[in-house]
Amino acid sequence: AQSVTQLGSHVSVSEGALVLLRCNYSSSVPPYLFWYVQYPNQGLQLLLKYTTGATLVKGINGFEAEFKKSETSFHLTKPSAHMSDAAEYFCAVSLNSGNTPLVFGKGTRLSVIA
Amino acid sequence: EADIYQTPRYLVIGTGKKITLECSQTMGHDKMYWYQQDPGMELHLIHYSYGVNSTEKGDLSSESTVSRIRTEHFPLTLESARPSHTSQYLCASRGLGSGNTIYFGEGSWLTVV
Repeated sequence: AQSVTQLGSHVSVSEGALVLLRCNYSSSVPPYLFWYVQYPNQGLQLLLKYTTGATLVKGINGFEAEFKKSETSFHLTKPSAHMSDAAEYFCAVSLNSGNTPLVFGKGTRLSVIA
Repeated sequence: EADIYQTPRYLVIGTGKKITLECSQTMGHDKMYWYQQDPGMELHLIHYSYGVNSTEKGDLSSESTVSRIRTEHFPLTLESARPSHTSQYLCASRGLGSGNTIYFGEGSWLTVV
């Protein structure tokens, strides 16, 4: 069975600083990996995803993530935080068949300090 | 742009009432999901469907039920609401051509008093 661990339930960064949100996964087969963002009182919006191919994935709003199989990690980064990045971020995994539901991590709340 | 809609967005109902949360998608996706999320907490899968007449229970036990009579529609029903059902319910869908992306609705906030 798949599982996702997000290290740090709350991360706080200064505006303009590097954002690093950590995600480690467990999967018996090559996974599909996703990062979603959730703003207050809204649903989830896809930031980026890894399915196959290039391990460095670029997403919306300047975010990117790198799939590292040897480390079973899929950390999310952004070079320079903006106030509008403050939100809840969820890492998720599914089997690469595409048929299994997503399993989500517990989420990381990102705060951006002016 | 995702075309998946949930109604109602916000609902306050009394204990013992029956409630149906509606979810519709216009993308022709075969797979649909319901997740439950308490404020500031993780998402838990409560139901999913691989297509018409297919429904499965998710990882989190739920007293709700679902049906999938039409591809685009996946309603969730609580026969007798209790305060413990107070939560946000998120509907999602996924299909061929979506690149394995799961698209989410805006969510339905249910409060049972």
